[in-house]
Amino acid sequence: QSVLTQPPSVSAAPGQKVTISCSGSSSNIGNNYVSWYQQLPGTAPKLLIYDNNKRPSGIPDRFSGSRSGTSATLGITGLQTGDEADYYCGTWDSSLSAVVFGGGTKLTVL
Amino acid sequence: QMQLQESGPGLVKPSETLSLTCAVSGYSISSGYYWGWIRQPPGKGLEWIGSIYRGGSTYYNPSLKSRVTISVDTSKNEFSLKLASVTAADTAVYYCARHSRYYGSGTYYDNFDYWGQGTLVTVSS
Repeated sequence: QSVLTQPPSVSAAPGQKVTISCSGSSSNIGNNYVSWYQQLPGTAPKLLIYDNNKRPSGIPDRFSGSRSGTSATLGITGLQTGDEADYYCGTWDSSLSAVVFGGGTKLTVL
Repeated sequence: QMQLQESGPGLVKPSETLSLTCAVSGYSISSGYYWGWIRQPPGKGLEWIGSIYRGGSTYYNPSLKSRVTISVDTSKNEFSLKLASVTAADTAVYYCARHSRYYGSGTYYDNFDYWGQGTLVTVSS
C-alpha cells in the first residue's frame, strides 16, 4: 500500500486531455514539493515535473503539474500514442523521513 | 551529458548481500547533489532505498535502514549500494539516480533528475 494514492489506470483518445491525481497528507504533499515521472515500457523513469509545476528542459508544455492542499495533479494535453506509459508522483514524507512514491498510473491512449 | 550506469551481479542467493555500483560520467559527484538508489519489483511501483551526499551523509528508507549501506567514492566518481540478508522480496530492477534535494522555509524539494538504465537483481538459490 503506497503512501501516495494514484488511480491504477486512466485512458483517453489521441488529441484529448487527461489528468492523473496523486493524493497524500499534510506530512507529504501538503507541505513538500511534488515531482512526476514518466516510465515508458521497459525503460527507466524520466523526470517530467518537479517542484509541483516546473518542467525540466526538453519536456514539452503539453505536460503540466499542480498542487492543491494534500493532492497533486499531472495534466497531459494533446495526447499522443507515445505518451502511453506509467506515471508516478513522488515527494518527501516528513513523518516517515523518506522519499515516497505513488503506486503508479498506467495511461492508455485509445 | 550526464550518464549513470549500474553494475553488479544479476543473481544473489538468499541471506547474502546484494552489492551494486553506479558509475557517473559527465558530472563530478564532488560538485554536489545527493545520489540515490531506487528499486522496482517486477510489475510493481517505485521504492526509494536511500541517498548519499558527496561528503558521505546519508538518508535511508526506514523500512530498509537496518540492511542498507550506501557509500560514495569521489575518486572513482561512483557510489555503491549494499543490501544485506536478501530474500526473494528484494528481487527488483535497481536504479541509481541523481537526487536533487533542497530544504527551505519548512519545505522539502526532492526529485530525481537523471537515472541509470537499471539492472535486474534476482534473489534465488
